[in-house]
Amino acid sequence: DADVTQTPRNRITKTGKRIMLECSQTKGHDRMYWYRQDPGLGLRLIYYSFDVKDINKGEISDGYSVSRQAQAKFSLSLESAIPNQTALYFCATSVGGAGVNYGYTFGSGTRLTVV
Amino acid sequence: DQQVKQNSPSLSVQEGRISILNCDYTNSMFDYFLWYKKYPAEGPTFLISISSIKDKNEDGRFTVFLNKSAKHLSLHIVPSQPGDSAVYFCAASRIATYKYIFGTGTRLKVLA
Repeated sequence: DADVTQTPRNRITKTGKRIMLECSQTKGHDRMYWYRQDPGLGLRLIYYSFDVKDINKGEISDGYSVSRQAQAKFSLSLESAIPNQTALYFCATSVGGAGVNYGYTFGSGTRLTVV
Repeated sequence: DQQVKQNSPSLSVQEGRISILNCDYTNSMFDYFLWYKKYPAEGPTFLISISSIKDKNEDGRFTVFLNKSAKHLSLHIVPSQPGDSAVYFCAASRIATYKYIFGTGTRLKVLA
């Protein structure tokens, strides 16, 4: 089983619909992130969470919300999907500690198409 | 404002030769840098890192160089192999923020 699992892998939805992307991890990491990838724009941070009671906006949080249901689960919601939210979405985790900075473990991504 | 830039969207290299991927950043507060590799239909995977107290880090065929005065880092792959064909992202952060800013990626194609 993958360390970071994203569901669904692919989704097509209609404009105006609410959709939730889910992420679960078995790494035991306390930090979780949602990024989106667009051609020519790289990966941009949507939201991040350092523990269950901590939620922070990233650089492109408008139109999105998140929920950290447990240490291992972090879901991303699009309340009313619009076509420019069509992208590849990645969940990532990392371990933290004072003075420590490690990279991320990424999930395999969710390809979302809004029509 | 793109704080981390990869100005070459693609690069083709012959098998056995050196691949050099470049990355520039604008924020002098960044002090930790990583390279990720991404294959189609997969998430990015960590490749190599470097902190700002070093100017070089080596791991097998992969070496990352950091030039802080120029705000520039590069990834060297020697020798390049067809399996190295992927999209490479550089990422930068400030220690203790745990947030990475990613570049736009460079697609490397290694020709057999």
